[in-house]
Amino acid sequence: EVQLVESGGGLVQPGGSLRLSCAASGFTFSTYSMNWVRQAPGKGLEWVSYISSSSTTMYYADSVKGRFTISRDNAKNSLYLQMNSLRDEDTAVYYCARVRKAYWYFDLWGRGTLVTVSS
Amino acid sequence: DIQMTQSPSSLSTSVGDRVTFTCRASQSISSYLNWYQQKPGKAPKLLIYAASSLQSGVPSRFSGSGSGTDFTLTISSLQPEDFATYYCQQSYTTPWTFGQGTKVEFK
Repeated sequence: EVQLVESGGGLVQPGGSLRLSCAASGFTFSTYSMNWVRQAPGKGLEWVSYISSSSTTMYYADSVKGRFTISRDNAKNSLYLQMNSLRDEDTAVYYCARVRKAYWYFDLWGRGTLVTVSS
Repeated sequence: DIQMTQSPSSLSTSVGDRVTFTCRASQSISSYLNWYQQKPGKAPKLLIYAASSLQSGVPSRFSGSGSGTDFTLTISSLQPEDFATYYCQQSYTTPWTFGQGTKVEFK
C-alpha cells in the first residue's frame, strides 16, 4: 500500500526540541521530493519545508527558518523534521506530503502527528 | 509572499446542489493552482492540480478552472461525502501558500 506515516509528535516545553519522522512505503521514495505541512488547531494549512529527492535543495517557511531542519534518508525510506527552539505558535498537526514536480502539487499525505508546545 | 483568498469562507448547501467557490491569488500564478479537500480529523486529499487536471480516483463531479489570478472549483452535484473544507494552494513559487479554506456545510 502506498502510504506515509508520521511519528514523533508530543508535548514539549517552549524552547525545547523535537524530531519528527515520516516513513514511506509502497513507492520509490528516493525519486520523490517531499514536504512538511502543518495545521494549527482549528486553523488552515501552512507549508513548512521542502526537500528534493537527493537532498540537494531545501526550502523553509520564514516562520521556521533557522529553527527547523528538514532531512531524509533514502536508504531507510524516511523523512525527518528536526524542530528546535519551539514556540507556542508551532503547536499543530504536522503532515508529511509527497511532491509531484510537474506542477509542485502534493499528491500523497500522511495522517499527521500532533506537536503541542506548552509549559 | 503570494496571498491566496478564498470565497466564501463557508457555504450552506444541500445534496444535489451545484456548488462553485473561488480562489484569488495576489499576483499571477499561471496555472499553478491546486485544490484539496479535508474532512475533520483527516489529512487533506488532492482533488485538482494545475488548475483543471483531475487527480486520479477523484469523481468527475469535481472540476477546476481558471488561470492567472482567478480560479474556481465546481462540484456539479453535491454528494453527502462532499461536506468538508476545501483549500486552494499556489505552487508557482515558494513559500507555497494556501487559502484560508471554504467550509461546505448542510443547509
